[in-house]
Amino acid sequence: DAKTTQPPSMDCAEGRAANLPCNHSTISGNEYVYWYRQIHSQGPQYIIHGLKNNETNEMASLIITEDRKSSTLILPHATLRDTAVYYCIVRTRIYNQGGKLIFGQGTELSVKP
Amino acid sequence: GAGVSQSPRYKVTKRGQDVALRCDPISGHVSLYWYRQALGQGPEFLTYFNYEAQQDKSGLPNDRFSAERPEGSISTLTIQRTEQRDSAMYRCASSSPGRRGQYEQYFGPGTRLTVT
Repeated sequence: DAKTTQPPSMDCAEGRAANLPCNHSTISGNEYVYWYRQIHSQGPQYIIHGLKNNETNEMASLIITEDRKSSTLILPHATLRDTAVYYCIVRTRIYNQGGKLIFGQGTELSVKP
Repeated sequence: GAGVSQSPRYKVTKRGQDVALRCDPISGHVSLYWYRQALGQGPEFLTYFNYEAQQDKSGLPNDRFSAERPEGSISTLTIQRTEQRDSAMYRCASSSPGRRGQYEQYFGPGTRLTVT
């Protein structure tokens, strides 16, 4: 699975959009981009994933560049409860099977009042 | 419905003892994963199962670590002859195909293992 690079930390004002970047320049055609977050000492939580099209769900939006070498996770109106470590993970999705997640260091997002 | 549960939540053991950590996945989930997380680090993959079959154990650090899922539901991670470097949070996750087949993994609360 391709390696990802994320900034170690970011700040965001409460109520503003948080834009978390991720570089995955070695991504291959069958690899998906997944985002998870981990709040304090809880287990990681799935946020969103995508292949090449932009995706949106109730938690966030995922913007993937046309060349797929980078992506941005957008939390449209960040709240204090969004303070967490955000992990960008690239992996092959294998139908009818699961597959391991390779977590990097992630980005520690601090949402400030 | 109930999420992934793990027991015990905290385990303190003396060096050299064996420990068994239990994971109860979400009912009906096909895949079950074990990860280990050191303080300040992201989770590190250990092993995973589809049903009762162990699909990948490449992350198990050495032969003191083993895992089983004999009936395709509950899983046990066993560490023999524990060492201080085994101290960490051990997390279990389970998954099944979602609405879009995304195989999102649901994580349990973890077992904090401390080897003294």
